[in-house]
Amino acid sequence: QVQLQQWGTGLLKASETLSLTCAVYGGSFRGYYWSWIRQPPGKGLEWIGEINDSGSTNYNPSLKSRVSISGDTSKSQFSLKLTSLTAADTAVYYCARSRTYFLYWGQGTLVTVSS
Amino acid sequence: QSALTQPPSASGSPGQSVTVSCTGTGSDVGGYNYVSWYQQHPGKAPKLMIYEVSKRPSGVPDRFSGSKSGNTASLTVSGLQAEDEGDYYCSSYIGSNNLYVFGTGTRVTVL
Repeated sequence: QVQLQQWGTGLLKASETLSLTCAVYGGSFRGYYWSWIRQPPGKGLEWIGEINDSGSTNYNPSLKSRVSISGDTSKSQFSLKLTSLTAADTAVYYCARSRTYFLYWGQGTLVTVSS
Repeated sequence: QSALTQPPSASGSPGQSVTVSCTGTGSDVGGYNYVSWYQQHPGKAPKLMIYEVSKRPSGVPDRFSGSKSGNTASLTVSGLQAEDEGDYYCSSYIGSNNLYVFGTGTRVTVL
């Protein structure tokens, strides 16, 4: 059974950079895309972007200028960096395996941006 | 890319059926058979219920079904049970741009 475990800093200040990492267990890292998705408190889901095992990335155009997703195939891990944070970036951030749909999800990490 | 449009709420009594709509455009929902549906309970990660418009992952009850007509996709839950209560989100993969868009979400209440 594929499991995704994520971690990262939960409390940040405005203008700082968010950094989260997700590790994949119990399944192959190769052959799939791996996504980051976020959900502000009480609101809906927003896709941030994805990376595959070859390092090819796709980003949400609305966040593209501030987002970077990287991967480490040797560790079956991928990471998210989001720069120039504002209060609007406060959300639960999820990692997920993407293949035109999201079957496996991480547990979520609440990131709070204070001003 | 704009969020797909879902009704804010839907409800039904135990044993009844409820249908949730998801409206997009010809560039997303209408252009591809890549609509998926997710159930989310409070404080939990979303769970995939339907993928590629009408396919069910292993373990999802056959009470859940999906369909699409034009630019609108639908999720139907038949024989409503208390545990079906939660938030439901649709999503569409947009192949031309390699990106995903989610719906605005629908809270389903079992009366």
